[in-house]
Amino acid sequence: TQLLEQSPQFLSIQEGENLTVYCNSSSVFSSLQWYRQEPGEGPVLLVTVVTGGEVKKLKRLTFQFGDARKDSSLHITAAQPGDTGLYLCAGAEDNFNKFYFGSGTKLNVKP
Amino acid sequence: DTGVSQDPRHKITKRGQNVTFRCDPISEHNRLYWYRQTLGQGPEFLTYFQNEAQLEKSRLLSDRFSAERPKGSFSTLEIQRTEQGDSAMYLCASRGSTDYGYTFGSGTRLTVV
Repeated sequence: TQLLEQSPQFLSIQEGENLTVYCNSSSVFSSLQWYRQEPGEGPVLLVTVVTGGEVKKLKRLTFQFGDARKDSSLHITAAQPGDTGLYLCAGAEDNFNKFYFGSGTKLNVKP
Repeated sequence: DTGVSQDPRHKITKRGQNVTFRCDPISEHNRLYWYRQTLGQGPEFLTYFQNEAQLEKSRLLSDRFSAERPKGSFSTLEIQRTEQGDSAMYLCASRGSTDYGYTFGSGTRLTVV
């Protein structure tokens, strides 16, 4: 059983479209992170959010941490083929030493 | 700084054999983590070290698994008497004491046949 549920599991869109992926849990997290992983490689950290309600922007990516610190969303504006990959959310319950990962959202952006 | 290095990248072994993987973290990072990732799943925590001390082990880490980090530098993960269920990507990550996020290596893909 995954502590973090991500949706959708798969997403295939055309270049230029917008999308949102979600990360939900019944647990409260002290911090939440988003990673992107390409096939055969390790995950690469995109962002860390620690405050309920926090919004962070990274170019075309907008991350939000829920007010209750149980959920998060990642919004991508004008998706590009280079955004293709597996997007993973990871939450830590008390410190930064053990993160629980979701199963990921596999995004494919078609040119 | 060359990032987190893992060796080998791929390992194919016969069931019952022992395997050992190595991880070289970013040199100034005192925390080192091992995760396991199976197809279609996110990484699962196995264990972590602060310097040379192994501070936590997951129940996923059966007695066939052992990890070490001598002198608080590189780490090794050994799996004895491998089983087909051990087939997975083994990921190593490191973190500095003031960092929030992990830096992952590229992983070791283990296939047990």
